[in-house]
Amino acid sequence: EVQLVESGGGLVKPGGSLRLSCAASGFTFSSYSMNWVRQAPGKGLEWVSSISSSSSYIYYADSVKGRFTISRDNAKNSLYLQMNSLRAEDTAVYYCARVAKPSWFVFANWFDPWGQGTLVTVSS
Amino acid sequence: EIVLTQSPGTLSLSPGERATLSCRASQSVSSSYLAWYQQKPGQAPRLLIYGASSRATGIPDRFSGSGSGTDFTLTISRLEPEDFAVYYCQQYGSSPPGFTFGGGTKVEIK
Repeated sequence: EVQLVESGGGLVKPGGSLRLSCAASGFTFSSYSMNWVRQAPGKGLEWVSSISSSSSYIYYADSVKGRFTISRDNAKNSLYLQMNSLRAEDTAVYYCARVAKPSWFVFANWFDPWGQGTLVTVSS
Repeated sequence: EIVLTQSPGTLSLSPGERATLSCRASQSVSSSYLAWYQQKPGQAPRLLIYGASSRATGIPDRFSGSGSGTDFTLTISRLEPEDFAVYYCQQYGSSPPGFTFGGGTKVEIK
């Protein structure tokens, strides 16, 4: 069974840092681009960042560029999101999502599956 | 950047009725690279439709997607109690930022 399990969320003060992890299982992790998507409380979905299968290509939403860093460890079947200089508006559930099919082009496919999400709360 | 606008924001319908959800793009979505997701409270989004009209594995045939270019539609032919949820469209396949989501349509019980 394909599974994505996020961890690392919690309460952090403005300006603080947090590192999210996503543990993947049930598929060949090193073949797929991976993504982070967030959802603020009561709001819609917002794409945050994407990383290609070999980490050669990395993209960020403008809202997090320069503050967040996506990375992966294919040997550990894990995806990460290092979040620095956190702001109140970063408060959200953060989902890890796999693209549906392997591709050299990071944006070639839709997301399937998604993890269950981890809540990040930025508040003093 | 392609902006997706979903309408209506909320759809109030009764079980058994037909639901028609719209997703309009600010510019043409190449090769119908559009997906639809369903999200229930406290749950992650679930893929329903990809490529504008292809149903994902395990999705009932009461869900159908159509459209091309800038106008896309998700239709639920007969609403079941478990279909009341929020639905999002997503475009993919374009140059960075290559993924954008619509604001969502909530289908609620009338």
